[in-house]
Amino acid sequence: QSALTQPASVSGSPGQSITISCTGTSSDVGSYNLVSWYQQHPGKAPKLMIYEVCERPSGVSNRFSGSKSGNTASLTISGLQAEDEADYYCCSYAGSSTWVFGGGTKLTVL
Amino acid sequence: QVQLVQSGAEVKKPGASVKVSCKVSGYTLTELSMHWVRQAPGKGLEWMGGFDPEDGETIYAQKFQGRVTMTEDTSTDTAYMELSSLRSEDTAVYYCATVRDGWYFDCWGQGTLVTVSS
Repeated sequence: QSALTQPASVSGSPGQSITISCTGTSSDVGSYNLVSWYQQHPGKAPKLMIYEVCERPSGVSNRFSGSKSGNTASLTISGLQAEDEADYYCCSYAGSSTWVFGGGTKLTVL
Repeated sequence: QVQLVQSGAEVKKPGASVKVSCKVSGYTLTELSMHWVRQAPGKGLEWMGGFDPEDGETIYAQKFQGRVTMTEDTSTDTAYMELSSLRSEDTAVYYCATVRDGWYFDCWGQGTLVTVSS
């Protein structure tokens, strides 16, 4: 199992929108609508932000949205806020009860 | 609401084993599937394995097979992850995380730092 591919870093100014991509293969992202996204602030545990490609858990801002096309999933954050600055990880079910994470993307709010 | 509380930091020598615990409250272990994810310093998240409720078995990532054992004590609602033959590359924060109603990790423990050093 190879890690999903994410850009190492993205940045945006407050109020802007950014998109983080997550590229897998036809064995994981491409085969299942079971991509989730996690936000992690320094020294903290990850927090679920998006599940099943585009669903938001209760309590997560509607500024966060997800999508998928083929083997690539995306997380979009609109109306960037300073508190959004964090690391973001995608994760996909990979079949046979296994999971694979992306390498992570550091979001900087300028 | 699920809460997961993990055991404290550990320092181990190369070749030793470590056992990390994860105490569940708010739910019982039988109501959820427990998984373990680790994060080396400055690195990304890595899935190590977890319980598959459909088969009733624990599935391990290929990378850790033969070195990791995940167990559960349903009488105390505590899950355990034991990693053996430790090497410096195993230095990481180890998280327990639950899968409940879907196919995602909805609740995470606070993490346990395991340092492997001679």
